[in-house]
Amino acid sequence: NAGVTQTPKFRVLKTGQSMTLLCAQDMNHEYMYWYRQDPGMGLRLIHYSVGEGTTAKGEVPDGYNVSRLKKQNFLLGLESAAPSQTSVYFCASSYWRETYEQYFGPGTRLTVT
Amino acid sequence: QQPVQSPQAVILREGEDAVINCSSSKALYSVHWYRQKHGEAPVFLMILLKGGEQKGHEKISASFNEKKQQSSLYLTASQLSYSGTYFCGTVHSGNTPLVFGKGTRLSVIA
Repeated sequence: NAGVTQTPKFRVLKTGQSMTLLCAQDMNHEYMYWYRQDPGMGLRLIHYSVGEGTTAKGEVPDGYNVSRLKKQNFLLGLESAAPSQTSVYFCASSYWRETYEQYFGPGTRLTVT
Repeated sequence: QQPVQSPQAVILREGEDAVINCSSSKALYSVHWYRQKHGEAPVFLMILLKGGEQKGHEKISASFNEKKQQSSLYLTASQLSYSGTYFCGTVHSGNTPLVFGKGTRLSVIA
C-alpha cells in the first residue's frame, strides 16, 4: 500500500517549457487535489476532482490544467511555465471532502528559470 | 476565503503548553488541522465537525466554536517532536473545498 505517490520529485524547467506532474493513489479515494506551497502562503488549492472524469478550479488555477481519466490518477499540466510557478506542489486524496482526512504525497519541487 | 491563524510563530520549551487559533469570517461546516515538518508533506491531525463531533489525534486536542467561527488547537506538555508548521483548513459548506490558512510555525526546544 503506497498511499499517494508523485512523479517526479524534482524538476527544473526553462520559461515557456511544458510539463506534466503525475499523482497516483491506491486507496480508492474519490477526491483528489493539487496544491502549491510557497513560503509564507500556506497551501493553496490549484484544482481538484470529485471523481473520475471530473475536475474543478481551486483558488489559484491560472496557468494550470488537470485531468482525471482514471480514478487513481490525477495529472497536473503546465503548458507554458513561468518563473512565478516555481513552487513545491503537493497532491492529496481523500475518501470524501468535509469529514475525512486528506492524505498527501511527498511533493514535487519545481523550479522555473 | 483563507482562514486566519494566530500566532504566526511560537517557541516553546519542552513540557510547555501552546494554543493555536484559527478564525474565519464565514460560517464553518468543519475545521481540519494538519502538521508539516520541514521538508515533508502535511500530515492529518484532527477534524472538527459542526455539531461537535471530533476525530483525530490522541495527544492533541481542539475546540470548535461554531458561533464565533473559530477553532483552537491545544498542545499540552509539548515534546520536541511537536515542532513543525501547523495548518488549519476550513470548509464552509457542502460544495466548497477545504481552504488552508498560512500556518503557525511551532518550535520546541530542550
